[in-house]
Amino acid sequence: EVQLLESGGGLVQPGGSLRVSCAVSGFTFTSYAMSWVRQAPGKGLEWISAISGSGGSTHYADSVKGRFTISRDNSKNTLSLQMNSLRAEDTAVYHCAKDRSIAPSRTSAFDVWGQGAMVTVSS
Amino acid sequence: SYELTQPPSVSVSPGQTANITCSGDKLGDKYACWYQQKPGQSPVLLLYQDTKRPSGIPERFSGSNSGSTATLTISGTQAMDEADYYCQAWDSSTVVFGGGTKLTVL
Repeated sequence: EVQLLESGGGLVQPGGSLRVSCAVSGFTFTSYAMSWVRQAPGKGLEWISAISGSGGSTHYADSVKGRFTISRDNSKNTLSLQMNSLRAEDTAVYHCAKDRSIAPSRTSAFDVWGQGAMVTVSS
Repeated sequence: SYELTQPPSVSVSPGQTANITCSGDKLGDKYACWYQQKPGQSPVLLLYQDTKRPSGIPERFSGSNSGSTATLTISGTQAMDEADYYCQAWDSSTVVFGGGTKLTVL
């Protein structure tokens, strides 16, 4: 069974840092790109970052560029998102999502989603 | 930056056809996909590459994409289809989601 399980969410003060991770199982991790998609309470979906199957290509939304870093450890089947300089507007549920494609591209579509990790940025 | 525009809400009677639109500049030149999200749940991929259904998605979900508008069509809408629906496309090395449409079945 294909599974994505996020961890590492929590409460952090503005300006602080947090790392969320996603442990995957049930498919060949290196064959698929992965993304992080967040959803603020009561709001819609917002894509924030993607990484190719090899990890050699990364992409970011303007809202997080320079503050967040996506990475993957293909030996441990784990996806991570390092979040620095956090702001109140970063408060959201952070989902990892499996892409149907090996690299982020015009054919990208997310066919498996984790349940999400809640990140709250507040003093 | 690229934007995808969806109507905030759509209403449909049970058994009828619901159409949810997604508009963006030259969207027809890109691939559109669609997700369904029910309260408290993660999104589910309904359609990818405009018209393709992943395994397990009922045939009543179909799609089209031409010009500047992609459309999700739900035929024979059921009460269980009441949910939020999001379109998504790729532009300039980023993924873009529409703002979402709440489908009410009444």
